Amino acid sequence: LAKTTQPISMDSYEGQEVNITCSHNNIATNDYITWYQQFPSQGPRFIIQGYKTKVTNEVASLFIPADRKSSTLSLPRVSLSDTAVYYCLVGLDTGRRALTFGSGTRLQVQP
Amino acid sequence: GAVVSQHPSWVICKSGTSVKIECRSLDFQATTMFWYRQFPKQSLMLMATSNEGSKATYEQGVEKDKFLINHASLTLSTLTVTSAHPEDSSFYICSAGAKSPSYEQYFGPGTRLTVT
Repeated sequence: LAKTTQPISMDSYEGQEVNITCSHNNIATNDYITWYQQFPSQGPRFIIQGYKTKVTNEVASLFIPADRKSSTLSLPRVSLSDTAVYYCLVGLDTGRRALTFGSGTRLQVQP
Repeated sequence: GAVVSQHPSWVICKSGTSVKIECRSLDFQATTMFWYRQFPKQSLMLMATSNEGSKATYEQGVEKDKFLINHASLTLSTLTVTSAHPEDSSFYICSAGAKSPSYEQYFGPGTRLTVT
């Protein structure tokens, strides 16, 4: 899987939009970009996956520029319950392969 | 979505004893499951890939004789920590993919092991 680089931590306040950017300069042509969320003492949970441009679901949006060397996870109007670690992963068929987790981004949402 | 369960959710054992952790796919079949370990404030590290009906594949540095993995059916994989030591205290998480081609991997809730 391609190596990824994310900020170690971010702080935000309730109601704000949070954007977490991930760099993946050596992404392969067929690789997808996937984001997971992990709360303390829980297993990671799938948030969103995309290949190019923009993907949106009920919890987040994923923006991917044309060169695909980076991606941005956007969380609209965060709440205290969004405090978690967010992992960006890049690869093919990531549902069925062993995943290589980077350091992730620890998001702290303040009231 | 698909559900993966783990049992127990936490366990405390004495040094030198063995502990078994179960990972089950509740509503789907998983020919392959993965076992990860996570130390406090650190990321998940893959320990091994569990294959139904065959031997597990261990990552470099993971002792296969210490961490015994058995994938006896399409819905159950077990991880046994043998002769546990305090340094084995960690959060153990299993996962599986539900279908092929699959984009989402489903993780269990994790098992907190404390060795005293």
